[in-house]
Amino acid sequence: IQMTQSPSLLSASVGDRVTLSCKAGQNINNYLAWYQQKLGEAPKLLIYNANSLQTGIPSRFSGSGSGTDYTLTISSLQPEDVATYFCQQYNSWWTFGGGTKLELK
Amino acid sequence: QVQLKESGPGLVKPSLTLSLTCTVSGFSLSSYGVIWVRQPPGKGLEWMGVIWGNGNTNYNSALKSRLSISRDTSKSQVFLKMNNLQTEDTAMYFCARSGESPVFDYWGQGVMVTVSS
Repeated sequence: IQMTQSPSLLSASVGDRVTLSCKAGQNINNYLAWYQQKLGEAPKLLIYNANSLQTGIPSRFSGSGSGTDYTLTISSLQPEDVATYFCQQYNSWWTFGGGTKLELK
Repeated sequence: QVQLKESGPGLVKPSLTLSLTCTVSGFSLSSYGVIWVRQPPGKGLEWMGVIWGNGNTNYNSALKSRLSISRDTSKSQVFLKMNNLQTEDTAMYFCARSGESPVFDYWGQGVMVTVSS
């Protein structure tokens, strides 16, 4: 199942509300996760089942969507949120999107 | 706490076999799956294969002919072997725990493998 993320690069300011998009090639029944990967680090699970917040993740992160279209929202961007974000479907094995690199404006 | 750590050679010659070890702590390999994921420099993530808590394995169809995953539960270790390495196999290799859902809830730090003569 192909996963397409947009945009590939996003510039935003501290305090901004940021929205990242992920589109699946077919219905993935909310089997969608989001990961954050900071430079030189392993990915970190943020969201699973499209909208469930992983333990320990700040509440400014939220996920939504259904069918083929999903969104990760950061309600108020913090400097430590600079990273690349990947979506992942697990409706049929696993496929990752190409990533959205989030930088500070 | 849950931890995973990859180990293995940083450099492998083309056509040879890559052997990596993932040593885990804080959970039982009999209860959780461990998956291998790789990431070429500057690129995205690709799942390679998984060994489930019951010992069964599944592989990405693109790598299935070259890949083998096994484990030693007594040593809390998972092993990856991939043969006939090519330059395009140069990547950071991660092991991760497949938790509920099943998503990858804990990751190792990764090990960089370069395929070069």
